[in-house]
Amino acid sequence: EAQVTQNPRYLITVTGKKLTVTCSQNMNHEYMSWYRQDPGLGLRQIYYSMNVEVTDKGDVPEGYKVSRKEKRNFPLILESPSPNQTSLYFCASRFGGTNEKLFFGSGTQLSVL
Amino acid sequence: SQQGEEDPQALSIQEGENATMNCSYKTSINNLQWYRQNSGRGLVHLILIRSNEREKHSGRLRVTLDTSKKSSSLLITASRAADTASYFCATDGGATNKLIFGTGTLLAVQP
Repeated sequence: EAQVTQNPRYLITVTGKKLTVTCSQNMNHEYMSWYRQDPGLGLRQIYYSMNVEVTDKGDVPEGYKVSRKEKRNFPLILESPSPNQTSLYFCASRFGGTNEKLFFGSGTQLSVL
Repeated sequence: SQQGEEDPQALSIQEGENATMNCSYKTSINNLQWYRQNSGRGLVHLILIRSNEREKHSGRLRVTLDTSKKSSSLLITASRAADTASYFCATDGGATNKLIFGTGTLLAVQP
């Protein structure tokens, strides 16, 4: 089944404790992206990757890192999480440009205490 | 930066009625997409309309696009309780690297 898999689904952590949210897609998509969703603000792009070893900042990249060593994986790293990073995170992927639809993961609800 | 703004923010209707949601955006686009999100879950693509198209249908969905007004509407006909979800429009802002999402319309369909 074609899908984007995110883990974990829920995560509670404390300020400053490094964490990684994994994202994997099995559709051989070139493009992958991370979004965060906050009430009243919609979805905002954190980082995106056009292909392996090619990543770039989105609208809200501060406090986040990503890597794209393999085509299928695009982990999101929070090296020193802070409470303002408490949010619902989504990984998404697509084949090609913006005239193609995005496939989303199920989301990761992160709480930073 | 927010490209799409949906209106209304929330909509409550009875099963069988039609639901209309509107989206306004700021810059020129190549295409506009609509997505659906069930509570707290990942977004699911519904339909894409290109900038040279004015109307598109998919099942009970009808999307219109008016590039002169920079607006789009999503009509769901004969709504069902299972249509209860948030609906988002997304535009490319003329760029190739991302979709910009609006804040969404929360639709509640009462059985």
